[in-house]
Amino acid sequence: DIQMTQSPSSLSASVGDRVTITCRATQSITTFLAWYAQKPGKAPNLLIYAASTLQSGVPSRFSGSGSGTDFTLTISGLQPEDIGSYYCQQSYSSPWTFGQGTEVQIK
Amino acid sequence: QVQLQESGPGLVKPSETLSLTCSVSGGSMNNYYWGWIRQPPGKGLEWIGYIYYSGNTNDNPSLKSRLTISIDTSKNQFSLKVRSVTAADTAVYYCVRDKRAGVGTSYGAYEIWGQGTMVTVSS
Repeated sequence: DIQMTQSPSSLSASVGDRVTITCRATQSITTFLAWYAQKPGKAPNLLIYAASTLQSGVPSRFSGSGSGTDFTLTISGLQPEDIGSYYCQQSYSSPWTFGQGTEVQIK
Repeated sequence: QVQLQESGPGLVKPSETLSLTCSVSGGSMNNYYWGWIRQPPGKGLEWIGYIYYSGNTNDNPSLKSRLTISIDTSKNQFSLKVRSVTAADTAVYYCVRDKRAGVGTSYGAYEIWGQGTMVTVSS
């Protein structure tokens, strides 16, 4: 199975800060990578697919980049409603696998 | 606006079978992949498997062949069965729809989620 490792596991940032979360795969997944945000008690919400394509309806402050084994999710200007957990997920090789998550808090 | 809704027992006894159904409203099931994902309390997400509208399936070997995923497009539903459950199967179970990339293909990215249903395995 392909293992996905996110860093950091948690972070605290101020409103308006630029926040970066990284995701590394144990082998190349080309661009078969998605990012999700999950607020407490809610289902995850798709932010980015195909590594860098913004899902319809998602604010443009979210962006994704990377290919191969290293990927990044950036929030350009953290907002209070962005608190929660963020997950990466690969769909290059079955079984699809998720990163362990990154918890984002407001400082 | 397509919506998904999970239904099924919230409590299952160890060694028995967990059965969940996902009802799809607001759209057709045709030409989409439909899936299941679970999340143990306080933990991360685990992909369980998917089924194409035509019935082709793919599931996670970590569940050791205890799974059955089926679909009934005439009822706009798909289902999950997990046999021989243990406490490790306690989780919130989500049904999901994959984002379509083209005819017969998808991104493997889940754009529509049900609200989730908590299933506890306990005697």
